[in-house]
Amino acid sequence: GEDVEQSLFLSVREGDSSVINCTYTDSSSTYLYWYKQEPGAGLQLLTYIFSNMDMKQDQRLTVLLNKKDKHLSLRIADTQTGDSAIYFCAEGSSASKIIFGSGTRLSIRP
Amino acid sequence: GAVVSQHPSWVICKSGTSVKIECRSLDFQATTMFWYRQFPKQSLMLMATSNEGSKATYEQGVEKDKFLINHASLTLSTLTVTSAHPEDSSFYICSARSSGGAGELFFGEGSRLTVL
Repeated sequence: GEDVEQSLFLSVREGDSSVINCTYTDSSSTYLYWYKQEPGAGLQLLTYIFSNMDMKQDQRLTVLLNKKDKHLSLRIADTQTGDSAIYFCAEGSSASKIIFGSGTRLSIRP
Repeated sequence: GAVVSQHPSWVICKSGTSVKIECRSLDFQATTMFWYRQFPKQSLMLMATSNEGSKATYEQGVEKDKFLINHASLTLSTLTVTSAHPEDSSFYICSARSSGGAGELFFGEGSRLTVL
């Protein structure tokens, strides 16, 4: 069945870049998504990438997609304390249900 | 992005009582909404897909009679936890899907249920 894997924790120094990695299994996924969850809140869509794209950049966020290896990454440049959150990778298409990874908890150290 | 509102944010109830959580799409119509449960170790579990005007589709292992879902209109879905027990304590999150585009999900703020 479909599966999305992420590492559970990542710690980076403030000002450095954060790279959160994700692997997925469903090669028919049309879209890959990144969501952010702050404590006690719901999930906020950060960005998504269409499966025929390799890269998408949006301000401090860069998404890289390696479709051959089914590998997705989210890079956050100049990481700030406000970036502390859980980041969920997800795959799906507009017609099917979206499958989420277990989330990566990003912590920022001074 | 689209706005999804969930209510209540926090609820504490006694064991054996029922609790209703509402999920509303405020600025778009959602024929499909989804209910998730989030466990302390952060993973999201899809409980059911709520379909407007028809029965919800439950994921394997989710008790239909315990978690009643009603999607009476294009902007409202409700989850009722019946005869709640302490093990039902959790963070419940609803989401609604945008029509067209990337089919991305928009999430409510979540509801923290504590059963004493």
